Parts: sequence; C-alpha cells; structure tokens
Amino acid sequence: KNEVEQSPQNLTAQEGEFITINCSYSVGISALHWLQQHPGGGIVSLFMLSSGKKKHGRLIATINIQEKHSSLHITASHPRDSAVYICAAGESGNQFYFGTGTSLTVIP
Amino acid sequence: GAGVSQSPSNKVTEKGKDVELRCDPISGHTALYWYRQSLGQGLEFLIYFQGNSAPDKSGLPSDRFSAERTGGSVSTLTIQRTQQEDSAVYLCASSPWTGTNYGYTFGSGTRLTVV
Repeated sequence: KNEVEQSPQNLTAQEGEFITINCSYSVGISALHWLQQHPGGGIVSLFMLSSGKKKHGRLIATINIQEKHSSLHITASHPRDSAVYICAAGESGNQFYFGTGTSLTVIP
Repeated sequence: GAGVSQSPSNKVTEKGKDVELRCDPISGHTALYWYRQSLGQGLEFLIYFQGNSAPDKSGLPSDRFSAERTGGSVSTLTIQRTQQEDSAVYLCASSPWTGTNYGYTFGSGTRLTVV
C-alpha cells in the first residue's frame, strides 16, 4: 500500500464543472502539499496545508488531520486547468511521499 | 535567481555513460531535494540535503547514483553507467527549512533519456 493514495487517477470534466480530487495518507505528517504539473512543464506548488482550508482563486484545498484526508477542489473549471495534480505528504525534517497524481482534462 | 534552476533541461545519453545533473536552489534555501519521475509513475524521492548535515540518501535506487551539494548551495546528481531504466525526469526542489510550514519551490526538471 502506498503511503499516499490519490483518486481518481484520471478525470475528464466539461468546462464549468466543479472538480474534486482526493488524497488519503497513512504517514504522520507536518504538512501536505498539492502540486500542479502541466504537460511538458515544471511542477508548481499550489498549496501547503497543515490544517483547515486554504483558497486561492478558483482552487480550494482542505485537510482533515484526524481522517488523514485532503481534497483539492476546482470551481468553474477551465481547459487551462488541465494538468496532473499531485498530493505530497510528509513529516518535518524528513522526506515527502507523493501520490501518483490525478490527470485532469477539462473539455471546452 | 528567482526560482530553482536545473540544467540541462534535456539530456540524451548512451547506455553506460555517466551523466551529471545540476540544480541551483533559491538563494538562502537550506533544504534541497532530488526526485525522479519515471514515465507513468509518481514522484520518487531520491536524496535530501539540509544545511551542513549528512544527506538523507535513503531514496537512491542504486550505488550508481550519487549527489553532492557544494557550499550549501548548488547540487549535482551523478548517475554512473546509465541504464535505460534511468530514463526519467529528474526534479530538484528547495525550501527555506525542513518541510514544516514552508513550501517547496520546484525546478522545471531535467528530462534524461538513455538510449
């Protein structure tokens, strides 16, 4: 079993739809990251969470420490949101564990 | 610089050759990480440097892989006698401190192809 599990692996949505990507982890963590990777592009850190909820534009990330679960939501999705979204979780001073990513395609 | 810089961006090498990949972290970032992303796979941790401490090499897949960080800044990942399974995107990230409440900044990666 992987330390970090993401679902779904692949997701296709129509433009404007509300999207949710889930991440469950089994390791103890001090922080959880949501990362975005565009095709052929670098990786961008979207959020870092240790508790609660963060919002940036149309993106919302939540974390439930007790349930060891985080979600990334995209409201009013747009084709430019098409990318791979990666969840990473880890403990202070130690390595981070990565999910295998969720490939999102938003169709106009 | 403003971000984490990696070079080269692309590298094609023949099987059996040695390669060196370079990472320039953000100035002042004490923590530096190397990751690998093979085709269709998730990100795989390779090695982690924090300041002057001994690096955490627990993720290096074999003794053909080594990394150093000179002067607490630039890091070089060396792969000796490359194999086809080494083909991947190698990513470097840095952060101001050890993964507590500070986010990473990733470089854009080096795409290595071993032919």
